[in-house]
Amino acid sequence: GESVGLHLPTLSVQEGDNSIINCAYSNSASDYFIWYKQESGKGPQFIIDIRSNMDKRQGQRVTVLLNKTVKHLSLQIAATQPGDSAVYFCAENKGNTGGFKTIFGAGTRLFVKA
Amino acid sequence: GAVVSQHPSWVICKSGTSVKIECRSLDFQATTMFWYRQFPKQSLMLMATSNEGSKATYEQGVEKDKFLINHASLTLSTLTVTSAHPEDSSFYICSAREGLTAFFGQGTRLTVV
Repeated sequence: GESVGLHLPTLSVQEGDNSIINCAYSNSASDYFIWYKQESGKGPQFIIDIRSNMDKRQGQRVTVLLNKTVKHLSLQIAATQPGDSAVYFCAENKGNTGGFKTIFGAGTRLFVKA
Repeated sequence: GAVVSQHPSWVICKSGTSVKIECRSLDFQATTMFWYRQFPKQSLMLMATSNEGSKATYEQGVEKDKFLINHASLTLSTLTVTSAHPEDSSFYICSAREGLTAFFGQGTRLTVV
């Protein structure tokens, strides 16, 4: 079935290095993607989003890249900090009769080594 | 902006009882809210879409009589887990949609003993 998935379940990086988290999606009709950060015991926190008419969007220390040709999404975190340690989810808006719903991928756990 | 509050943060209940979880959008009105369930080390699984003033839309495999959803106002949706059993123990998370983006509450840890 259609899904949003991830290539890597865990990622370990050194503090100060850049992190890249990848995501593959299968629904070519999807037109809106979101990255969320979830810390232990908390709800997901919005990081950055991108529409399908864009291929790159930048925020504070984060960049999302969208490659529609290969249906691939990535989140880049610059100068990774210990506070960035969390699980990161890509999510996709899928349409339904009542509007749309936000469907989550499997998640990648990011470990930042001091 | 776009703050979503969920209450309670955690609850312990006896098997066979019912538990109500509240989800509020604090600084915006939300026609649509979503309820998710998350098991340890897993992703969020959508349970249902809650629409203000109408019946909720449940995902396949989710029992609507087990998980009662009410969305009586533009800022409040509730999820009631009826006749809870230990297998219902999980992390329940709500979100409210503002524009295209879903913003999430803090989650509720339900433990059924």
